[in-house]
Amino acid sequence: DAKTTQPPSMDCAEGRAANLPCNHSTISGNEYVYWYRQIHSQGPQYIIHGLKNNETNEMASLIITEDRKSSTLILPHATLRDTAVYYCIVNSGGSNYKLTFGKGTLLTVNP
Amino acid sequence: KAGVTQTPRYLIKTRGQQVTLSCSPISGHRSVSWYQQTPGQGLQFLFEYFSETQRNKGNFPGRFSGRQFSNSRSEMNVSTLELGDSALYLCASSLESPGGTQYFGPGTRLLVL
Repeated sequence: DAKTTQPPSMDCAEGRAANLPCNHSTISGNEYVYWYRQIHSQGPQYIIHGLKNNETNEMASLIITEDRKSSTLILPHATLRDTAVYYCIVNSGGSNYKLTFGKGTLLTVNP
Repeated sequence: KAGVTQTPRYLIKTRGQQVTLSCSPISGHRSVSWYQQTPGQGLQFLFEYFSETQRNKGNFPGRFSGRQFSNSRSEMNVSTLELGDSALYLCASSLESPGGTQYFGPGTRLLVL
């Protein structure tokens, strides 16, 4: 699986949009971009995933650049409960059923 | 639909003992994966099961083993516990095989004294 690079930490004001970047410059054509988050000591929570098109669900939006070398997870109106470590993972699915977690980004939402 | 459940949630054992952790996947999910999370190593893949068969294994010693039952429920076992086995053990299930979005349980926190 391609390696991902994320900033170690970010801050965001409550009510504002949180934009979390991820670089995955070695991504290959059949690899998806997945985002998970982990609130302290809980199991990781699936947020969203995409291949090449932008995706949106009730939790977040995922913007993938045209060359697919980077992506941004957008939480449109961050709340204090969104404080968590956010992991960007590239996974081919297919025969690769293991997720490789990096260190992620600690997002702190401030009141 | 109920999520992934793991039992027990917390466990304290002593060195040399063995432990069995249980995971019930989301209804209809047939793939179950196990991960270990420690402050030093982060989240690491242990193994994955589908239709009662282990399909892939991470880089862990043979003391770590698992199995899956016909109803897709899974157990993992750690024998001869070491202090370094203290960790959060996470189970994840997915619908498709192979691959597919994985949904995690709350984890079992194991403390080895």
